[in-house]
Amino acid sequence: IQLTQSPSFLSASVGDRVTITCRASQGISSYLAWYQQEPGKAPKLLIYAASTLQSGVPSRFSGSGSGTEFTLTISSLQPEDFATYYCQQFNSYPLTFGGGTKVEI
Amino acid sequence: QVQLQESGPGLVKPSETLSLTCTVSGYSISSGYYWGWIRQPPGQGLEWIGSFYHSGSPYQNTSLKSRVTISVDTSKNQFSLKLSSVTAADTAVYYCAKLSLTLYFDYWGQGTLVTVSS
Repeated sequence: IQLTQSPSFLSASVGDRVTITCRASQGISSYLAWYQQEPGKAPKLLIYAASTLQSGVPSRFSGSGSGTEFTLTISSLQPEDFATYYCQQFNSYPLTFGGGTKVEI
Repeated sequence: QVQLQESGPGLVKPSETLSLTCTVSGYSISSGYYWGWIRQPPGQGLEWIGSFYHSGSPYQNTSLKSRVTISVDTSKNQFSLKLSSVTAADTAVYYCAKLSLTLYFDYWGQGTLVTVSS
C-alpha cells in the first residue's frame, strides 16, 4: 500500500494552523499513524488509529480520516513543531510510510 | 518505560553482512507485543525492514528479498538484524522499535548509522 503525503515541504509561522494530508493507494480503514521526527532524532508517535492522540502529545495535534484520505492538523504551530512528519499504514504487510512532510519556518 | 538501544559496527564493507543488536529494557520481549527494525537512508524517508511477534516468525519486507534475518535472544532480552550482501544503498540509520499489537511503532531506539563502504 503506497502512502502519498502532501505537501512535501511547508513553510509556516508560529501560531499558524497547519494541515498535512496522507493518501493511501487503497482503503486502510483507520489503520494509520502519524510520527514527528526532529533532525538527528528517532521518530516519535503522535497519533494512531487515525485520530487517537498518543499519551503525552499536546492537544494541538489532531488527526482525522478513514479509508484512503487522512489529515494531521496542528492547530497553532509552536517553535518545537518545526520537524518532519510521516504517516504509516498498519492495515497490512508490508508496513509502509509516507514520504514525509517537512515543516519549516 | 520501554527503552531500546541499537548496537553494532558503524562501517561495513560492500558484499559483507550488516549485523545489529537491539537491547530492550523496561519490558520483557517474551511477554508480548511485536518488535522490529526500520531504516532511513541519509536525507530520505523511513523503510520498514521486518517485525516479529514475541512468539512467532518474523515478517520481512519483500523489497529486501531474502537478505534479511531477524532473530531473538530472550535470555538477553535482545533481538538482532542481519542484512547480507550489502551495497552502498544499504547505508542508513537503522532503528529498532516496539510495535503495538495493531502494528504501529510506539517506542523507538535512538538509531545507529551504518555506512557501507570499502
